[in-house]
Amino acid sequence: QKEVEQNSGPLSVPEGAIASLNCTYSDRGSQSFFWYRQYSGKSPELIMFIYSNGDKEDGRFTAQLNKASQYVSLLIRDSQPSDSATYLCAVSSDSGAGSYQLTFGKGTKLSVIP
Amino acid sequence: KAGVTQTPRYLIKTRGQQVTLSCSPISGHRSVSWYQQTPGQGLQFLFEYFSETQRNKGNFPGRFSGRQFSNSRSEMNVSTLELGDSALYLCASSGTGDEDTQYFGPGTRLTVL
Repeated sequence: QKEVEQNSGPLSVPEGAIASLNCTYSDRGSQSFFWYRQYSGKSPELIMFIYSNGDKEDGRFTAQLNKASQYVSLLIRDSQPSDSATYLCAVSSDSGAGSYQLTFGKGTKLSVIP
Repeated sequence: KAGVTQTPRYLIKTRGQQVTLSCSPISGHRSVSWYQQTPGQGLQFLFEYFSETQRNKGNFPGRFSGRQFSNSRSEMNVSTLELGDSALYLCASSGTGDEDTQYFGPGTRLTVL
């Protein structure tokens, strides 16, 4: 059974601080890793993806991947109240015949306090 | 490019009824996946279609079924609805050569009374 684990939170950070969100996964064969942001009552929105070990930066967001430790993280710099949402970690595994299945963590709720 | 669209956005049904949900993928995307999201279980994979063929299926009962048309639009059907089927049903599409990157539609909120 493929599992993706996240702290459910809530994680509260003051405005302007760095928010750090973490995720571990069980399937060593996983190839691609995604972070989605989900506002209350809305659908998940893709904000970052990472395939290789190391860091990947996009604006205020940095994704970090360590395949040996089976660990993915998302850092949000200069956190804004508009970043308050649930962040979902998703891991992709090849299910064969060109099909890829995403397994999601249950999400970490982030609250940025003005 | 227009995003993934889903209809209807909200549905209220009673136990025992059946329901059909529709999804139109991003133009050019041929893979459509369906997920169920509930507060207790999170996002769970239902099935994935590509070129009108189901390529992958999650661990849901046979009451949940789907299909895909030649224009890549997809429908999912739930028969004999149960109270526990109340959930947000999400459709996601992905493009050829980038199949593991999925983009979600707005979802259909199903309430079973």
